Amino acid sequence: AAGVIQSPRHLIKEKRETATLKCYPIPRHDTVYWYQQGPGQDPQFLISFYEKMQSDKGSIPDRFSAQQFSDYHSELNMSSLELGDSALYFCASSLGGRDYEQYFGPGTRLTVT
Amino acid sequence: GESVGLHLPTLSVQEGDNSIINCAYSNSASDYFIWYKQESGKGPQFIIDIRSNMDKRQGQRVTVLLNKTVKHLSLQIAATQPGDSAVYFCAENVDSGGSNYKLTFGKGTLLTVNP
Repeated sequence: AAGVIQSPRHLIKEKRETATLKCYPIPRHDTVYWYQQGPGQDPQFLISFYEKMQSDKGSIPDRFSAQQFSDYHSELNMSSLELGDSALYFCASSLGGRDYEQYFGPGTRLTVT
Repeated sequence: GESVGLHLPTLSVQEGDNSIINCAYSNSASDYFIWYKQESGKGPQFIIDIRSNMDKRQGQRVTVLLNKTVKHLSLQIAATQPGDSAVYFCAENVDSGGSNYKLTFGKGTLLTVNP
């Protein structure tokens, strides 16, 4: 079965650079969620989209922005990177609605040096 | 505010034993909980969920118990196998209004199964 695809899987950037993370949801899933997981931490909700519109926002820095495109893939754009942005970034997708399971991708490991 | 957390950060068991992972939450209005398994280098994987109108739910080798009185839930894994070694998170599926939902994770418990 198709799963959530994230690219790249690993990314190394320097401070103050910009990074773009991509997420391709499971076919027919219309909802995408982004989570950030620091080393040894639990995943923290960043932002979500339903039918290409932002639906909820968590503790996402103003330096980050995201969008969902017409083909339902999503991109997380991160600017002015800081050392503290080093983390695993997970994308999850689901059908719309609370009853539907969120399926997580393998994550993008971002290292800021 | 809402808070979901775990009592024990690590748990080591022998293969074949039963494992119990605990989780506490603080919001008495919380009504939907999910257990996730996260293996090294992978994303969280759904194990089992439970709604507040239930106090027990069983899956394949797993059972989740919910005690709303003390705001506590647990994940029981029967006949634990080496492949069960992972970090386990309890999470709350939060209705943030306007048909918006998000997961709020508790602190993970690292389960190590010794052969």
